[in-house]
Amino acid sequence: NAGVMQNPRHLVRRRGQEARLRCSPMKGHSHVYWYRQLPEEGLKFMVYLQKENIIDESGMPKERFSAEFPKEGPSILRIQQVVRGDSAAYFCASSPVVTEAFFGQGTRLTVV
Amino acid sequence: GQQVMQIPQYQHVQEGEDFTTYCNSSTTLSNIQWYKQRPGGHPVFLIQLVKSGEVKKQKRLTFQFGEAKKNSSLHITATQTTDVGTYFCAGAAGGSYIPTFGRGTSLIVHP
Repeated sequence: NAGVMQNPRHLVRRRGQEARLRCSPMKGHSHVYWYRQLPEEGLKFMVYLQKENIIDESGMPKERFSAEFPKEGPSILRIQQVVRGDSAAYFCASSPVVTEAFFGQGTRLTVV
Repeated sequence: GQQVMQIPQYQHVQEGEDFTTYCNSSTTLSNIQWYKQRPGGHPVFLIQLVKSGEVKKQKRLTFQFGEAKKNSSLHITATQTTDVGTYFCAGAAGGSYIPTFGRGTSLIVHP
């Protein structure tokens, strides 16, 4: 059973470009969480999704950020018109029910 | 909103010494989880505590959940260099599905 798969592992974008981060949850997991982590800081909750539904997006900036978890395919975190402050590690986690979360290896986004 | 605080932020120990990190929540939690993140790695789930006053052990690691379900601790006995990493607690308040993470305690073990 493959773990949570995130790609790309590293992403470099110029200011103003779009960043698309993908997350394939573990097989059988219908709950997906996205977290952002800045260097030497904790994990900041962004959004919680179930298949085709956004359950809670209270941690996500209102502008430029969006997330989806379609019926088929991976969950996508999209950041439009990236700025330097968006540089961070973005982790996706999945769980079968509301219990422990299994994290992917993250996408390290660098905005230049 | 719910806040989860963790202390200390950093802890240096000599190999063989014990280590403890503490986690405090501003609200009563339905459960608390602990994760370990190695440098450059991703968080890995260690354990979940649910019951008031619960104590669980994993080899040299002892996890406690306070009676009021607002605090927790992780104790490592006789640290080893393989214990190096950042330990996070994450708590979900009653009725919430979203674990709020503490800022973590980074453990540095000197051989």
